[in-house]
Amino acid sequence: TAGITQAPTSQILAAGRSMTLRCTQDMRHNAMYWYRQDLGLGLRLIHYSNTAGTTGKGEVPDGYSVSRANTDDFPLTLASAVPSQTSVYFCASSDGTSGYNEQFFGPGTRLTVL
Amino acid sequence: GQNIDQPTEMTATEGAIVQINCTYQTSGFNGLFWYQQHAGEAPTFLSYNVLDGLEEKGRFSSFLSRSKGYSYLLLKELQMKDSASYLCAALDSNYQLIWGAGTKLIIKP
Repeated sequence: TAGITQAPTSQILAAGRSMTLRCTQDMRHNAMYWYRQDLGLGLRLIHYSNTAGTTGKGEVPDGYSVSRANTDDFPLTLASAVPSQTSVYFCASSDGTSGYNEQFFGPGTRLTVL
Repeated sequence: GQNIDQPTEMTATEGAIVQINCTYQTSGFNGLFWYQQHAGEAPTFLSYNVLDGLEEKGRFSSFLSRSKGYSYLLLKELQMKDSASYLCAALDSNYQLIWGAGTKLIIKP
């Protein structure tokens, strides 16, 4: 079982360009999450989805959008990248939407915006 | 505001015991998680506490005091592979996780 995968592993992007970070899970989890992790800061929630067809905003949603067309996939799109979006991005999923369940994380995407 | 505090870095010796503390201030509280994150890797779940007291899981134990807004992770018989960052996260009243910045644990032989 692959668990949760992310693509690409890393990317260098010119400011102003758009990009979609991909996330796929094969655990049939209802809830999925996108976080960014920056040095010296905790994981910060960007967007989440409690079930296919629904999404919600997290702590730092500006500049990002998501969709959840099916259970397995949860892509994150940067419409017009800015240097402050340089970060490591983690996708996660959990079985259940209450928050009590442990989250399983993908390997991360390291994004550099120049 | 909501806040999680944990030490930035700790050093311990192989075979010893180390305690990593975490204090939290959240709007409502629905439990406290600990995750381990090796450098360059994804976080992985260690423990979840919602009731006061100590929960033991092999070499790792986690403690919670709701009245004090305090938790700790206790690692016994330290091994070199325990060198990692340890992330504390509290579940608030909206069932959102509030994450600390993590404690980098360095194990020396």
